[in-house]
Amino acid sequence: NAGVTQTPKFRVLKTGQSMTLLCAQDMNHEYMYWYRQDPGMGLRLIHYSVGEGTTAKGEVPDGYNVSRLKKQNFLLGLESAAPSQTSVYFCASSSVGGNNEQFFGPGTRLTVL
Amino acid sequence: GENVEQHPSTLSVQEGDSAVIKCTYSDSASNYFPWYKQELGKRPQLIIDIRSNVGEKKDQRIAVTLNKTAKHFSLHITETQPEDSAVYFCAASKGNAGKSTFGDGTTLTVKP
Repeated sequence: NAGVTQTPKFRVLKTGQSMTLLCAQDMNHEYMYWYRQDPGMGLRLIHYSVGEGTTAKGEVPDGYNVSRLKKQNFLLGLESAAPSQTSVYFCASSSVGGNNEQFFGPGTRLTVL
Repeated sequence: GENVEQHPSTLSVQEGDSAVIKCTYSDSASNYFPWYKQELGKRPQLIIDIRSNVGEKKDQRIAVTLNKTAKHFSLHITETQPEDSAVYFCAASKGNAGKSTFGDGTTLTVKP
């Protein structure tokens, strides 16, 4: 099992450009999440999904959109990138019931110039 | 919503000493409290967790304690080793609600 994978690993954008980050999981998890991690600020939840076709806002959703068309994939979109969106982005997934252990992807380092 | 505070933000100990990291949470409905370790340049990974019906849980050199009344929980690492150096995050969540609220992290440095 690959677990949680993210594409791409690195990306440099210019202000105003758009891009989509892809997260995929092969553990049949219902829940998926997108976080950003900035120095000294921990992991902040951007958006999450509790199942295929559903999405919800997290703590810092502004400037981002998401889609969960397939259970195994969770896409994060930046329509018009800003320097404030320079960060490391982590995707995670977890199963329904039992505990809420989250399995994280390797991260995407995004720089917006 | 839930608010999780974590202290200290940095912690430096000598190899072999113990390290304690503390977290407080605000939502009394939270019932699952995981701890994640993130090594430099890597993804966070679960190292131990505790549910609200348990006061303490131990796994070799690491342990977690939970005080529901005071709404705080702590990570204890004994006999620290240089490979314990990493950023540690606590989190709190409510059952099947899925999402967790994370603390800001503690950077632990173990000096040989």
